[in-house]
Amino acid sequence: SQQGEEDPQALSIQEGENATMNCSYKTSINNLQWYRQNSGRGLVHLILIRSNEREKHSGRLRVTLDTSKKSSSLLITASRAADTASYFCATLNYGQNFVFGPGTRLSVLP
Amino acid sequence: EAQVTQNPRYLITVTGKKLTVTCSQNMNHEYMSWYRQDPGLGLRQIYYSMNVEVTDKGDVPEGYKVSRKEKRNFPLILESPSPNQTSLYFCASSSSGTGSTEAFFGQGTRLTVV
Repeated sequence: SQQGEEDPQALSIQEGENATMNCSYKTSINNLQWYRQNSGRGLVHLILIRSNEREKHSGRLRVTLDTSKKSSSLLITASRAADTASYFCATLNYGQNFVFGPGTRLSVLP
Repeated sequence: EAQVTQNPRYLITVTGKKLTVTCSQNMNHEYMSWYRQDPGLGLRQIYYSMNVEVTDKGDVPEGYKVSRKEKRNFPLILESPSPNQTSLYFCASSSSGTGSTEAFFGQGTRLTVV
């Protein structure tokens, strides 16, 4: 069963702009992670946020988590062409399988 | 260098011919898993393993088998591949199955079944 659902499915912005992607999930979680995938390659971990955290930063990345709305957002500030990729949220409950959403395809135009 | 290695990277096979995709990690991780990725569907988990000799079904296990005889290896076996198993496959590992640690992914195996 698909737990996370990213929104939008695709996003196109100019270099230097900010990109925001959203993720909604259905059941209670312990943690939520965001991953990036470049064009059919393996996923790379970006950031993990725990259920008792509301916001987390890593470089140009900012992740928020609202457990009452069962949603998370990933903000990439001052985007670069190299940020062009697909972004996935993954919800991970102990004792269950890791579940990924269908992803957001981000295109950053030079 | 910490890595998850899958082989082969590309494979074209015929319906019904048994195949194995290997996965090996060098991080002494307990948790390993297999995913398939199809357009518009994201990644769907096939099987996972919490430790040696402990495996369990994910969301789409039909038509697949796995084994975990050693901690580092987690091969994916397709006993009788069918065209609907044409997909991009990823192996992943993490130190914990609780979701508290990041997962490391292999580079993927693109399988075509004709």
